[in-house]
Amino acid sequence: AQRVTQPEKLLSVFKGAPVELKCNYSYSGSPELFWYVQYSRQRLQLLLRHISRESIKGFTADLNKGETSFHLKKPFAQEEDSAMYYCALIGNNNDMRFGAGTRLTVKP
Amino acid sequence: DTGVSQDPRHKITKRGQNVTFRCDPISEHNRLYWYRQTLGQGPEFLTYFQNEAQLEKSRLLSDRFSAERPKGSFSTLEIQRTEQGDSAMYLCASSFAGLYNEQFFGPGTRLTVL
Repeated sequence: AQRVTQPEKLLSVFKGAPVELKCNYSYSGSPELFWYVQYSRQRLQLLLRHISRESIKGFTADLNKGETSFHLKKPFAQEEDSAMYYCALIGNNNDMRFGAGTRLTVKP
Repeated sequence: DTGVSQDPRHKITKRGQNVTFRCDPISEHNRLYWYRQTLGQGPEFLTYFQNEAQLEKSRLLSDRFSAERPKGSFSTLEIQRTEQGDSAMYLCASSFAGLYNEQFFGPGTRLTVL
């Protein structure tokens, strides 16, 4: 069964500190993985996807197939990074599975 | 085109009533998805269309739920005989099938069943 687990519901860091939001997945094939973000009073939007190996707003995420993880990292958190973050994967049936989300708060 | 739109944004209904939601995707997108999100959870996949064909349905989608996309453009999601457990945010997303499956989300319809 395909499943996405985000073990932390809440994460709080100070501005300028590194941040890592954890994501683990279970999937029998080769999944397509994403991080979505939802800022306050805005709609859900794509932050980044593993296939393009890009850095968006200073965030990166590396797919580790051995550990079945896709953790999201940023070396220096900013207050505007405060938001809800969802890890997601697309399986063979094109159905996207989301984790429960992590609420990141960056304190000044 | 200002992105995916959903109507209504809020719906309050009494248990047992039928409700219908509408989603207008980004015009050039051929895929359309419906999700349900409850408090403290991520969006849960319900169903998706490629053009007018409904290609996948979740087991979450009971027989009280039906979705259509008659002309491959807008879609409707109907819930018959609503129950209090149907109270949730219903999200629609669209994408263009290709190498990158980026889904663009609408603002959602919040359903409250009294």
